[in-house]
Amino acid sequence: QKEVEQNSGPLSVPEGAIASLNCTYSDRGSQSFFWYRQYSGKSPELIMFIYSNGDKEDGRFTAQLNKASQYVSLLIRDSQPSDSATYLCAVNVGNTDKLIFGTGTRLQVFP
Amino acid sequence: DTGVSQNPRHKITKRGQNVTFRCDPISEHNRLYWYRQTLGQGPEFLTYFQNEAQLEKSRLLSDRFSAERPKGSFSTLEIQRTEQGDSAMYLCASSPPSDTQYFGPGTRLTVL
Repeated sequence: QKEVEQNSGPLSVPEGAIASLNCTYSDRGSQSFFWYRQYSGKSPELIMFIYSNGDKEDGRFTAQLNKASQYVSLLIRDSQPSDSATYLCAVNVGNTDKLIFGTGTRLQVFP
Repeated sequence: DTGVSQNPRHKITKRGQNVTFRCDPISEHNRLYWYRQTLGQGPEFLTYFQNEAQLEKSRLLSDRFSAERPKGSFSTLEIQRTEQGDSAMYLCASSPPSDTQYFGPGTRLTVL
């Protein structure tokens, strides 16, 4: 059974702080890794994708991938109350385009 | 609007009725995916198409579920003889020939 695991949270951080969201996956054949943001009652919105080991930065967001440890993380710098949402980690299955999602981590940014 | 669209956005039905949902992908995307999401869970893969060909179906997709993508454009997902356990958000996503998937707004199904 291919799995993606995330801490369900909530992760509470003060406005302006760095939020760190973590995800582990079981399929060593996975090649593509995604972070989606989902507001309550809405559909997932793509935030970041990463394919290679290391860091990838886009504005306030940094995705980090360590394939040896089967670990992917998302850092959100200068967190804002509008970042309060559930963050879903998704990983492709082997050589397919099918994605497996974690259950998501709920982030709360308080003023 | 160039995003993925889904209709209807909400559907309330009685147990045993059939329902059909439609998804219109981003126009240049040849891949289309269906997922189901229940409260507190991440989306679960149901099936996906490359153009008009249905390439994979999840074991979650019982024989009451059928999906089509005629002519490789829009797709429909039909659920026959709905059950209360079918209540969920049904999400459609599309992607170009890579694996970056973009989701539509979803169809929320409530089976009474």
